[in-house]
Amino acid sequence: GAVVSQHPSRVICKSGTSVKIECRSLDFQATTMFWYRQFPKQSLMLMATSNEGSKATYEQGVEKDKFLINHASLTLSTLTVTSAHPEDSSFYICSAPASGRARHEQFFGPGTRLTVL
Amino acid sequence: QQQVKQSPQSLIVQKGGISIINCAYENTAFDYFPWYQQFPGKGPALLIAIRPDVSEKKEGRFTISFNKSAKQFSLHIMDSQPGDSATYFCAASMNTGRRALTFGSGTRLQVQP
Repeated sequence: GAVVSQHPSRVICKSGTSVKIECRSLDFQATTMFWYRQFPKQSLMLMATSNEGSKATYEQGVEKDKFLINHASLTLSTLTVTSAHPEDSSFYICSAPASGRARHEQFFGPGTRLTVL
Repeated sequence: QQQVKQSPQSLIVQKGGISIINCAYENTAFDYFPWYQQFPGKGPALLIAIRPDVSEKKEGRFTISFNKSAKQFSLHIMDSQPGDSATYFCAASMNTGRRALTFGSGTRLQVQP
């Protein structure tokens, strides 16, 4: 299957700073990517849909000014957590859907563990 | 309605046994039902998926049973192994729009040797 990478895998930052997480589709193009957040022992919750060439679509309750999304190219989406606070500590995971006949299938990145001190 | 309900929350099975996880959905517009396996600290990995035009799909030790009228689907893991110990998520998505996945709450499976 297709490969999605994330960078960094772990990040620790001080409260009030901003953190950027990259999501790359390595061997396929993705006009859409999804960002999820997962708290310990909980399920994945969709935060936003990243769209190449247009604004991201945010789920209800997700602050778009706090979680900035930029879909810079057909293989790269970035999530920037601005003015991070301890409650933003979580596991952030991106995914990208396949194209063509397998367009339902989504490929997930390995996740980024964010810890805000 | 976008909710997907999953049960049980946790499951302990002996090696060689059958693990069964159930999910129910409400939105009849869903037309793709995957199951993901997730190990601690890792992203979810697709195990097996089904479309509503079939009632069962088998891949190796993993089988999905799908009941369209009841809006339920389940994952069966045959001959469960300790290496299968992980968290399993069912999910659903639609063929139109964003195709984002709606996940169940997860089942933590422990296979005892």
